[in-house]
Amino acid sequence: GAVVSQHPSRVICKSGTSVKIECRSLDFQATTMFWYRQFPKQSLMLMATSNEGSKATYEQGVEKDKFLINHASLTLSTLTVTSAHPEDSSFYICSAPGLWANEQFFGPGTRLTVL
Amino acid sequence: AQSVTQLGSHVSVSEGALVLLRCNYSSSVPPYLFWYVQYPNQGLQLLLKYTSAATLVKGINGFEAEFKKSETSFHLTKPSAHMSDAAEYFCAVSEGKRDDKIIFGKGTRLHILP
Repeated sequence: GAVVSQHPSRVICKSGTSVKIECRSLDFQATTMFWYRQFPKQSLMLMATSNEGSKATYEQGVEKDKFLINHASLTLSTLTVTSAHPEDSSFYICSAPGLWANEQFFGPGTRLTVL
Repeated sequence: AQSVTQLGSHVSVSEGALVLLRCNYSSSVPPYLFWYVQYPNQGLQLLLKYTSAATLVKGINGFEAEFKKSETSFHLTKPSAHMSDAAEYFCAVSEGKRDDKIIFGKGTRLHILP
């Protein structure tokens, strides 16, 4: 199956700094990618839909100025957590649809810890 | 709007016993349904998916699920639990279009007792 990678897998940063997480579709193109956040022992919550060549679509309650999404190419979407705070510490997972309807491939996730 | 409800945040079964994880869905359109498994500190792995073909869907690792429209259910089963099945399981739903988002349930932690 298709592969989606994320980088970095883990990041620790100080409060107030910004962190960028990359999501790449390795052997297929993705005009759409999805960003999820998962707090410990909880489910995945959809944060936003990343659209190549246009603005991202954010879910209700997600601050678009805090979580900046850029879909720079057909294989790369980035999520930047700006002015990170400890409450932003979470597991961030991206996904990309495959060629066929209802195929969606998930990245391995990025563990963000804000001190 | 679509949603899924997973009954039981924790389920414990003995090794070799039947595994039954419950999921009910709500959807205004014919749903596409999924079960994913997540091991600690890892990403998601697709177990199986229902896409309006056969109502009984067989997946990986011996798991299967049955779509029951009358009950709006998509329960996950495995005849004989193995220690390696201990993980978090998520039921999920989408509308079935290629770029459609997937909505996840809250998850069920499966514990396997020796």
